[in-house]
Amino acid sequence: KQEVTQIPAALSVPEGENLVLNCSFTDSAIYNLQWFRQDPGKGLTSLLLIQSSQREQTSGRLNASLDKSSGRSTLYIAASQPGDSATYLCAVYSGAGSYQLTFGKGTKLSVIP
Amino acid sequence: EAQVTQNPRYLITVTGKKLTVTCSQNMNHEYMSWYRQDPGLGLRQIYYSMNVEVTDKGDVPEGYKVSRKEKRNFPLILESPSPNQTSLYFCASRTGASNEQFFGPGTRLTVL
Repeated sequence: KQEVTQIPAALSVPEGENLVLNCSFTDSAIYNLQWFRQDPGKGLTSLLLIQSSQREQTSGRLNASLDKSSGRSTLYIAASQPGDSATYLCAVYSGAGSYQLTFGKGTKLSVIP
Repeated sequence: EAQVTQNPRYLITVTGKKLTVTCSQNMNHEYMSWYRQDPGLGLRQIYYSMNVEVTDKGDVPEGYKVSRKEKRNFPLILESPSPNQTSLYFCASRTGASNEQFFGPGTRLTVL
């Protein structure tokens, strides 16, 4: 059964810093990996989707990489801002013919002004 | 605007009183899912649907029912709610092409 781990569980950084969030998964046979952002009490907003054949995706200040062989993905946030404060969730689609999406428990990011 | 909508957004009910949480998407997506989110446990899939009249169990289906009579709607039914079903519930949809998931705003359910 696929398991997704996100480290660290919480992170606090001063405004302007570059930072990396980590996601690891146990079964490398994935279809794709998706990063989400969740604000307190709110729904999930899709940030980046990486197909299994891709190594990275970029959107503005965000860059996500995928290394299937090692079972790892990173989300890089450049020049962090207080508005980036949220919980970031990693999720993987895995299993041939499966529609199972497995989530990590998230990294809670606080960007201090 | 492309979106997934859920109703109600907040619900307080009592044990045993049947309830339905509605979910609707306007993106013509084939696949729809229900998740619950609990502190320390993260998001867990309850049920999913690959298309009209095709549904299957996720990780935590006990105590829930779903139906998919129309492509756009995927209601979640709690026939006899219990306090351990107090949670934040999310509906999601995706296309078969990209697998990118789109989530609704969530329904916070409290069962007393």
